[in-house]
Amino acid sequence: GAVVSQHPSRVICKSGTSVKIECRSLDFQATTMFWYRQFPKQSLMLMATSNEGSKATYEQGVEKDKFLINHASLTLSTLTVTSAHPEDSSFYICSARRFGRGNTEAFFGQGTRLTVV
Amino acid sequence: GIQVEQSPPDLILQEGANSTLRCNFSDSVNNLQWFHQNPWGQLINLFYIPSGTKQNGRLSATTVATERYSLLYISSSQTTDSGVYFCAVDMNRDDKIIFGKGTRLHILP
Repeated sequence: GAVVSQHPSRVICKSGTSVKIECRSLDFQATTMFWYRQFPKQSLMLMATSNEGSKATYEQGVEKDKFLINHASLTLSTLTVTSAHPEDSSFYICSARRFGRGNTEAFFGQGTRLTVV
Repeated sequence: GIQVEQSPPDLILQEGANSTLRCNFSDSVNNLQWFHQNPWGQLINLFYIPSGTKQNGRLSATTVATERYSLLYISSSQTTDSGVYFCAVDMNRDDKIIFGKGTRLHILP
């Protein structure tokens, strides 16, 4: 089956530093990837849509300058949390869709648990 | 935007029981998927089911697109079935995927 790999799975960083999270589609190409954020015991909230070769589309209320997204290739998107603060601590998860024969199934990475201290 | 409502929000069952989880959506959808989020946060794909019925072992799902709902059935529940079940939809193949709030299932031994 399709696999989306996310790295790192867990990161602890100091307040004020930046953290980069990678999302790779391992066995298919993804022109579009999605980044979600999940707080404890809540649902996944879409942060932005990452588009290969162009700027990301951010959801309302998501700071573009804080959450930098780069979709450098058809298999890699990165999310950089800049100048992280404790309120940025959360579970971040990426998704990519595999297209084929009318099927547009989405697959998700393992998620990254970010703790800012 | 499209609204996705899942019910019940919480469900506690004894091992061996059957359960039905519901997902209602407010508009026509291109895609509907069911996921199980395990204790480590990983989202496990259960069904890709924009319409019709599918079965995989003890799990089955039915989507009635014209009536805008989907049902996930879990039979003979096991403790490993515990976790959060999410329904997610999109309105077209290039669109973002929107999640319901989930059903938190707890299976007691």
